[in-house]
Amino acid sequence: AQSVTQLDSHVSVSEGTPVLLRCNYSSSYSPSLFWYVQHPNKGLQLLLKYTSAATLVKGINGFEAEFKKSETSFHLTKPSAHMSDAAEYFCVVSDRSTLTFGKGTMLLVSP
Amino acid sequence: EPEVTQTPSHQVTQMGQEVILRCVPISNHLYFYWYRQILGQKVEFLVSFYNNEISEKSEIFDDQFSVERPDGSNFTLKIRSTKLEDSAMYFCASRPGRMQETQYFGPGTRLLVL
Repeated sequence: AQSVTQLDSHVSVSEGTPVLLRCNYSSSYSPSLFWYVQHPNKGLQLLLKYTSAATLVKGINGFEAEFKKSETSFHLTKPSAHMSDAAEYFCVVSDRSTLTFGKGTMLLVSP
Repeated sequence: EPEVTQTPSHQVTQMGQEVILRCVPISNHLYFYWYRQILGQKVEFLVSFYNNEISEKSEIFDDQFSVERPDGSNFTLKIRSTKLEDSAMYFCASRPGRMQETQYFGPGTRLLVL
């Protein structure tokens, strides 16, 4: 069985400040991990993925995430938030056939 | 860039009615999925489909649900007799092949059952 815990339901930052969205996972396998973003009234867009290559993964729009096996974490970061980053972010684990989603973290960006 | 598309974007139906949600996966993809997201809750896996048959389904995917790939492009989810609790956003996804895990999602269909 696999599961994902996103520790924060909401994160608020000011524009230009760093973003940290936390994710912990559990999996019986060597997991593949993803971050997806959902803007209001839009579908789920892939931000980045980890599939057992480099532990630091770079994604679109300046986001990156680091896979830490010892901590079973895959936190998402960005050095400087932009207003357009305001959205809901989902951490997802894959067991090679199905995806298991976290509950999501709503990122709020203020001017 | 190719995208997964879904129609309709919104559907309102009466309890007990049948609905069909439509998806057009990316054209060279082989694996197809349906997920749902009840308002305020997690995105949940419903079913996966490969080689014209269901490969995996969740507990949610009971006898009132069915999926079909009626032609070479469409992938449909049918709910035979809708219940109030079926109100949710339904996402279709597809992925290219067995060794490629990334799933590409459509924009979703928001279903409201009254």
